[in-house]
Amino acid sequence: EAGVTQFPSHSVIEKGQTVTLRCDPISGHDNLYWYRRVMGKEIKFLLHFVKESKQDESGMPNNRFLAERTGGTYSTLKVQPAELEDSGVYFCASSPYVLAGNTIYFGEGSWLTVV
Amino acid sequence: RKEVEQDPGPFNVPEGATVAFNCTYSNSASQSFFWYRQDCRKEPKLLMSVYSSGNEDGRFTAQLNRASQYISLLIRDSKLSDSATYLCVVKQGGTQAGTALIFGKGTTLSVSS
Repeated sequence: EAGVTQFPSHSVIEKGQTVTLRCDPISGHDNLYWYRRVMGKEIKFLLHFVKESKQDESGMPNNRFLAERTGGTYSTLKVQPAELEDSGVYFCASSPYVLAGNTIYFGEGSWLTVV
Repeated sequence: RKEVEQDPGPFNVPEGATVAFNCTYSNSASQSFFWYRQDCRKEPKLLMSVYSSGNEDGRFTAQLNRASQYISLLIRDSKLSDSATYLCVVKQGGTQAGTALIFGKGTTLSVSS
């Protein structure tokens, strides 16, 4: 069974440009999460989808970040316009139905460098 | 104060050594506790959950002290393959999937031959 896949694996963009990261969760997983780790910091929660609905977006840093999960399958995270401090690794994770317990599965991450 | 604090290390130990990692968390409402392992430039992977009674999985033993808000991980008989960053993670919810994971910055372990 395929794991959580993320695209692109690496991206280098200039400040002010737009980048869209994509996440394909494990098939059938209703819960999808975005986390990120910026240089020197811990991994931090960004938001959580249950199917196509945003359940919790309390970790989104500002309105330059937009996440969508149309149809409840894959998700995109768009950063527009990108700033230098957005550089880091963006992890997507998924887990099955709500009361499934504590195991969530992470993708390998999308490494973003803003120059 | 950070929500989850860990000694960043690095811990450099020889094969066969026993090594212990400690972690403290600030929110007494935290209900679930985990150790994740992260290899260089890879995703975090669940190593083990941590229960109040303490739990063991092979060479790995995890302990939780709710009164002190302290979590530990003990690795016995270290192997080269144990080299990684170990992340202490807490969650305020219980088994519900929706509550965000709160990560520590991680402790780096390097096991040498």
